[in-house]
Amino acid sequence: SQQGEEDPQALSIQEGENATMNCSYKTSINNLQWYRQNSGRGLVHLILIRSNEREKHSGRLRVTLDTSKKSSSLLITASRAADTASYFCATASTGGGNKLTFGTGTQLKVEL
Amino acid sequence: EAGVVQSPRYKIIEKKQPVAFWCNPISGHNTLYWYLQNLGQGPELLIRYENEEAVDDSQLPKDRFSAERLKGVDSTLKIQPAELGDSAVYLCASSLGGGRGETQYFGPGTRLLVL
Repeated sequence: SQQGEEDPQALSIQEGENATMNCSYKTSINNLQWYRQNSGRGLVHLILIRSNEREKHSGRLRVTLDTSKKSSSLLITASRAADTASYFCATASTGGGNKLTFGTGTQLKVEL
Repeated sequence: EAGVVQSPRYKIIEKKQPVAFWCNPISGHNTLYWYLQNLGQGPELLIRYENEEAVDDSQLPKDRFSAERLKGVDSTLKIQPAELGDSAVYLCASSLGGGRGETQYFGPGTRLLVL
């Protein structure tokens, strides 16, 4: 079963614009992670934010976490055509050990 | 360092036939995961191994699916017999192990088509 839901399901922007994706989840968590999947490939880890963190940056990525609202957002600044991919949030629930539960994903298309 | 290796990359079979997928995790990773990914969906966990032990197989349809990780390194996932609804991508991932919610490293997946 999918833990999280991502919003929007699909997003199309122009190169250079910022892209924001949101993730909502249902249970208490140890951490939340974002992964990218290019068409026909496996998932690649982007960033991990712990439950006691509110914001984290990595290069052009900015992730926020609001545990009171059980939601997270991923911001990609100055997008490039190479950012075209599906983006998934994944949650590590409290007491879930090493299990990650993935959301339904946002398909991002960055056009030249 | 080599990543997670999966084979085959693609498989086409007729329904009721058996099929097997193989995964070799990153060297030194104790935890291995098999996921099922349907088109347009996120991965769903089938089974998780800590070394040789299957610690979470609650989502594995045990009437037709089986998995093994005999020496705590590589793993095989089998479907027998395959059904039309099994058409999907089967992803293998690994992580260091011993933690909670560790970063997972994914292989390229095996795309299965059941006719």
